Amino acid sequence: ELKVEQNPLFLSMQEGKNYTIYCNYSTTSDRLYWYRQDPGKSLESLFVLLSNGAVKQEGRLMASLDTKARLSTLHITAAVHDLSATYFCAGGGPRDDKIIFGKGTRLHILP
Amino acid sequence: NAGVTQTPKFRVLKTGQSMTLLCAQDMNHEYMYWYRQDPGMGLRLIHYSVGEGTTAKGEVPDGYNVSRLKKQNFLLGLESAAPSQTSVYFCASTTSGSPLHFGNGTRLTVT
Repeated sequence: ELKVEQNPLFLSMQEGKNYTIYCNYSTTSDRLYWYRQDPGKSLESLFVLLSNGAVKQEGRLMASLDTKARLSTLHITAAVHDLSATYFCAGGGPRDDKIIFGKGTRLHILP
Repeated sequence: NAGVTQTPKFRVLKTGQSMTLLCAQDMNHEYMYWYRQDPGMGLRLIHYSVGEGTTAKGEVPDGYNVSRLKKQNFLLGLESAAPSQTSVYFCASTTSGSPLHFGNGTRLTVT
């Protein structure tokens, strides 16, 4: 059964700094997702990673996937206050169609 | 473009009452999911469906039932609500290789 673990669960950082959120998963997964959620809102898709070595970037966020290590990372470059949110990773497959979420990383960026 | 629509947005139930949450998508997606979100727990999968007429259990299925009689609709039922089912419920849909598209959520309180 797929389990997804994120760390850290809470992160407070200053604007301008770099940091990485880690997402480990327990069994083979053929797809890895990253989502953002603002307080009281729904989830917004950031990235879908479908193969080993996949790297995707959007603005100050970059996600990567290492299927051999069962690890995905979300790297934040030169953080700005607008990136304050909760970030979730989720994994799915390959032997079933469940999509399982981690507990989320609450990111607070201080001005 | 409606995407994924959940009804109702809010609901208060008394213990023992029943209700049905409706999720409708207009993207012709095969896969549909119901999650619940509780503080500190991330999103937990309740039930999911890989196509019209099929459903499967997720991580926390007890106390819930689902039906997918039409491809565009996925219903979540609570036969006898309990206070432990107080939560925010999210529906999502997707097609192979694509991210989940989420509805805006239903906030349910059981007293």
